[in-house]
Amino acid sequence: DGGITQSPKYLFRKEGQNVTLSCEQNLNHDAMYWYRQDPGQGLRLIYYSQIVNDFQKGDIAEGYSVSREKKESFPLTVTSAQKNPTAFYLCASSYLAGGGLGTDTQYFGPGTRLTVL
Amino acid sequence: SQQGEEDPQALSIQEGENATMNCSYKTSINNLQWYRQNSGRGLVHLILIRSNEREKHSGRLRVTLDTSKKSSSLLITASRAADTASYFCAVPNSGNTPLVFGKGTRLSVIA
Repeated sequence: DGGITQSPKYLFRKEGQNVTLSCEQNLNHDAMYWYRQDPGQGLRLIYYSQIVNDFQKGDIAEGYSVSREKKESFPLTVTSAQKNPTAFYLCASSYLAGGGLGTDTQYFGPGTRLTVL
Repeated sequence: SQQGEEDPQALSIQEGENATMNCSYKTSINNLQWYRQNSGRGLVHLILIRSNEREKHSGRLRVTLDTSKKSSSLLITASRAADTASYFCAVPNSGNTPLVFGKGTRLSVIA
């Protein structure tokens, strides 16, 4: 089965803790993305990566960090610096068709719901 | 900066009726995409329409694009309860940056 997986599905964090959300894809996609979604809201871009060992900040990168050591994996760490981390986090990937990131179809994982206790 | 904005925010219809939702954007684009999200799930790509296309069909979906008005519409014909979901449009941003998603239209189809 080809696809994109996220784990865990639900995550609870105490204030002051760092937590890492996993995102793995076996679609052989070059680009990967992390989004945050708050209730009733759209998607806001946190980080994205077009190639291994390289990534760029999105619109709301503060308080988050990522790594891209393997093509298949793009984990997101929510640090204690993120003051309001409770949200639904979505990971996506896309094949770089050559027309730019804005023309590529994105494939999404099932999401991780993070709650701060 | 680029922004996609869907209208209406929420839509409730009876099963069998058609559902129409609209998307407006600010700056010129070369394509526009529509995605669907079931409650608590990830988004699923529905359709991509290029700037040189005015209309595109996929099953019960019909998408139009009017670049002069910077707007697109998604029509779902003969809706079913299973079509209940949020629908998002996504448009390119400036430079080689990812798509920008709107806030979505929440569609409820009542059986």
